[in-house]
Amino acid sequence: DAGVIQSPRHEVTEMGQEVTLRCKPISGHDYLFWYRQTMMRGLELLIYFNNNVPIDDSGMPEDRFSAKMPNASFSTLKIQPSEPRDSAVYFCASSLSPVSNSPLHFGNGTRLTVT
Amino acid sequence: GENVEQHPSTLSVQEGDSAVIKCTYSDSASNYFPWYKQELGKRPQLIIDIRSNVGEKKDQRIAVTLNKTAKHFSLHITETQPEDSAVYFCAASDGAGKSTFGDGTTLTVKP
Repeated sequence: DAGVIQSPRHEVTEMGQEVTLRCKPISGHDYLFWYRQTMMRGLELLIYFNNNVPIDDSGMPEDRFSAKMPNASFSTLKIQPSEPRDSAVYFCASSLSPVSNSPLHFGNGTRLTVT
Repeated sequence: GENVEQHPSTLSVQEGDSAVIKCTYSDSASNYFPWYKQELGKRPQLIIDIRSNVGEKKDQRIAVTLNKTAKHFSLHITETQPEDSAVYFCAASDGAGKSTFGDGTTLTVKP
């Protein structure tokens, strides 16, 4: 398996622009997670899905952030409008059913810079 | 919600020495405790994990211990090598699949 695939790897945009991050989880993984990593706040869980349904979005910073998972092989995280404080590395991760308490498999991340 | 505290935030050891990183968690419902290693500019990757029905697990130079009563778990790396230098994260997961991460420990192994 190719692992979790994220695109783009780097995104530089101006404040106020819309940003869309994309993720393809590992085939067969029922859970998909979006994390944000910064020096100040570490790894923060933004939202996670089970079988394409959002389960917990309490980590989404504000209404400017939204995430969708239209099918089992694709998810997006959208920021509209973007702000400089959104600059971070955004990781997507997937895992098997947590009944077996399986680990997270992270993608390579998208480094977002908002100027 | 779950709160995970990790110590120390930085750790520097000589090559060949041992390194120990400690984490505590707050939610007694947490039952799965993975450790991830993140090299500079790369993604976090699992190095070892332990489930709540086990007290200790070892994989070559890496071991993890869990004390459920005290709600703490530790990572032990023996015979450290320069390639062990990285940021290490502990995490605690509940049965619903949600993982809460510690703030990370930057380990530097000096040759």
